[in-house]
Amino acid sequence: AQTVTQSQPEMSVQEAETVTLSCTYDTSESDYYLFWYKQPPSRQMILVIRQEAYKQQNATENRFSVNFQKAAKSFSLKISDSQLGDAAMYFCAYRRDSLVFGQGTRLTINP
Amino acid sequence: KAGVTQTPRYLIKTRGQQVTLSCSPISGHRSVSWYQQTPGQGLQFLFEYFSETQRNKGNFPGRFSGRQFSNSRSEMNVSTLELGDSALYLCASSLADRTNTGELFFGEGSRLTVL
Repeated sequence: AQTVTQSQPEMSVQEAETVTLSCTYDTSESDYYLFWYKQPPSRQMILVIRQEAYKQQNATENRFSVNFQKAAKSFSLKISDSQLGDAAMYFCAYRRDSLVFGQGTRLTINP
Repeated sequence: KAGVTQTPRYLIKTRGQQVTLSCSPISGHRSVSWYQQTPGQGLQFLFEYFSETQRNKGNFPGRFSGRQFSNSRSEMNVSTLELGDSALYLCASSLADRTNTGELFFGEGSRLTVL
């Protein structure tokens, strides 16, 4: 069974600085998707960034980028120029059939 | 385009009762998935429906069931409620066709409290 591990239950960063959230996963598949979802206090899960496993190039969405290391089964999220609105729970997720989530990292932005 | 709509948003039940939650996916989305979110267990996959058929199922007891209608709307039912069923139940929809990028779009969830 696929598993996703987020080893950092909580992280904090100063506003405008950079923070990296870690994620590792376990799978025997070669074709799959990886995601970072954000869940603000309002609860609705929002997609932050997506990576297809067959693409070697790391995905980037504005201030958000990933470091995808397929052989190491690692998928970290880097948030640059952190903003107060980035404060949320961040979930790493793996999808081949169903979506498997990590336990989440609570990110706090300090003004 | 309207997002994923879940009803009700909040509900309180007592042990032994049953509950039905509803989810209307984004127009054109044929796949609907359900997830249970609790502080202790995190986000756990319940089941996925596609074209009125259950396509995948998580590791939950038979008290948890679901269905999907021809308009892609989905319902999930929990019978004989237990205290441990208190959770946020999230519904997500996706295109699930050959252009599918794998992205799921989530609703705001239904908060169930079992007393």
